[in-house]
Amino acid sequence: DAGVTQSPTHLIKTRGQQVTLRCSPKSGHDTVSWYQQALGQGPQFIFQYYEEEERQRGNFPDRFSGHQFPNYSSELNVNALLLGDSALYLCASSSATGRLSVGQYFGPGTRLTVT
Amino acid sequence: AQKITQTQPGMFVQEKEAVTLDCTYDTSDQSYGLFWYKQPSSGEMIFLIYQGSYDEQNATEGRYSLNFQKARKSANLVISASQLGDSAMYFCAMREGRGNYQLIWGAGTKLIIKP
Repeated sequence: DAGVTQSPTHLIKTRGQQVTLRCSPKSGHDTVSWYQQALGQGPQFIFQYYEEEERQRGNFPDRFSGHQFPNYSSELNVNALLLGDSALYLCASSSATGRLSVGQYFGPGTRLTVT
Repeated sequence: AQKITQTQPGMFVQEKEAVTLDCTYDTSDQSYGLFWYKQPSSGEMIFLIYQGSYDEQNATEGRYSLNFQKARKSANLVISASQLGDSAMYFCAMREGRGNYQLIWGAGTKLIIKP
């Protein structure tokens, strides 16, 4: 049973460019959340997707956008990259009908470096 | 104000000893959930334990237990009989209210187990 997978593992981009990160949820999960984790800090919630819609959004600018596909996989897009966007981007999946007590399952993350 | 506070940036503990990682939280909601996650150097977040605000008993999962003191708004993680593999970052997180899917995270505690 595959867990949460993310691609690519590492990415180096230049300021002003655009980037797309990909996530496949754990089998049986239908909800995907994205988090940004700057070095030495806790994760920050970006948004959550369910039924191909953005269900909730954290305090991130519109440069951050996402998409969920019918197979529940998801993409995170970041436009006009800034140096401050350098971080580990974590994807987490869960089941909308699942118990809270099982938590979310996280992928290994994508390390984005903006130069 | 910080919603989740972890006051211990780093801790050194001797192998086989018990360790307590502190977490205090701030919310005005009556319904909320508290989570602990472990993040090894590989980067992937691993769910450890969950405590709901209405749970009357402290949560336990194997060597992990949560010391939940609701009046003091604290949710400390206790690891019994620590092992070298417990060396990692540990994060406390909270989900507030109903219909709220965002996890709010603390800054983490780096735990190092000494042989």
